[in-house]
Amino acid sequence: GDSVTQMEGPVTLSEEAFLTINCTYTATGYPSLFWYVQYPGEGLQLLLKATKADDKGSNKGFEATYRKETTSFHLEKGSVQVSDSAVYFCAPNSGGYNKLIFGAGTRLAVHP
Amino acid sequence: GAGVSQSPRYKVAKRGQDVALRCDPISGHVSLFWYQQALGQGPEFLTYFQNEAQLDKSGLPSDRFFAERPEGSVSTLKIQRTQQEDSAVYLCASSLPGGDQYFGAGTRLSVL
Repeated sequence: GDSVTQMEGPVTLSEEAFLTINCTYTATGYPSLFWYVQYPGEGLQLLLKATKADDKGSNKGFEATYRKETTSFHLEKGSVQVSDSAVYFCAPNSGGYNKLIFGAGTRLAVHP
Repeated sequence: GAGVSQSPRYKVAKRGQDVALRCDPISGHVSLFWYQQALGQGPEFLTYFQNEAQLDKSGLPSDRFFAERPEGSVSTLKIQRTQQEDSAVYLCASSLPGGDQYFGAGTRLSVL
């Protein structure tokens, strides 16, 4: 079945450091790919998405590129802030009605 | 409404008790999803509605779980004879057909 593998956390960085969170997936067909973020005490929020190969999704300084050949969708940010501390989830969609298949999540902690 | 609303935010149940969790989707969103998020894990798909039709219930873990959306708007997830393993956060998401999913804050269920 469809699945997602994310790098394990927690990831601990100093403010202004470079961030990469790896994500690879297996999926039938040609999914759209999503990154969701969950801030402490809040619900899931869509961070960015890409719908076809080589597309780059971006939002709030975060970027991820849809790499079909490596079935990957790694999340990057050039300079993290304390406010980026959260749990990040990678998710392809699946099936004709686009249910999401989530990874286990990667917790990011950014220190001043 | 402004977003997806779920109630209650927290529910404590004694083992064997029945519970009902409510989801009020964004107005006009015909698609509605339920997910279960165990502690420290990513959300897992439970069931999907398109308007009032439940098109996929393949993720419901047992016949104790039942979901309905009788008028194509508000949805209720019911769990009968709750067990400790049912303790989790239950997330509801809604979308336009094929659109991005917007999540509620979730209901945290604790079964004692």
